[in-house]
Amino acid sequence: KAGVTQTPRYLIKTRGQQVTLSCSPISGHRSVSWYQQTPGQGLQFLFEYFSETQRNKGNFPGRFSGRQFSNSRSEMNVSTLELGDSALYLCASSFGTGSGGYTFGSGTRLTVV
Amino acid sequence: LAKTTQPISMDSYEGQEVNITCSHNNIATNDYITWYQQFPSQGPRFIIQGYKTKVTNEVASLFIPADRKSSTLSLPRVSLSDTAVYYCLVGDRTGGGADGLTFGKGTHLIIQP
Repeated sequence: KAGVTQTPRYLIKTRGQQVTLSCSPISGHRSVSWYQQTPGQGLQFLFEYFSETQRNKGNFPGRFSGRQFSNSRSEMNVSTLELGDSALYLCASSFGTGSGGYTFGSGTRLTVV
Repeated sequence: LAKTTQPISMDSYEGQEVNITCSHNNIATNDYITWYQQFPSQGPRFIIQGYKTKVTNEVASLFIPADRKSSTLSLPRVSLSDTAVYYCLVGDRTGGGADGLTFGKGTHLIIQP
């Protein structure tokens, strides 16, 4: 079956711009989570969506937001980009029912210049 | 979520068995132990999950003592392609909880010819 698909794979943006990243989960998975990975901070949880509702949220500023659609696809938006937002953004999907591990996508590499 | 402690790095050779130990002294009664593997510029991949005693799948074995304060991931007959970062997580059956998956620094395993 198809895995978690993230688009685009690479992205270069300028400080102050905004960006939208997309994630298509595995068919049947209703939970989508987003993570930021940087060399200094490692993997950090951004937020989780389940059935179109944000269920959990990590410790990130309000510039980071997301949403989930009725088909479970999710988008993440970062507004007013800063240089420190340069990172690998990973999406993970699961059934969301408290069992089974997460399946991660390959990520979107965002570079802010 | 219980905090985990793993070695920062390990070295081994092709064909050897590698054991990576993780300490989780504050693991809760309902927590599961989950291991992920991550290659550079890719998302983490679920390897194995267990609650107690021993779990084995086609990739690895997971040994959990009776007190559950530690666990050991065992990789049989490693190859160069097993060079990756390995993360130990404790939490619900998804591997996480209300704060999502909490990844520590992980163990950077390097396999040499």
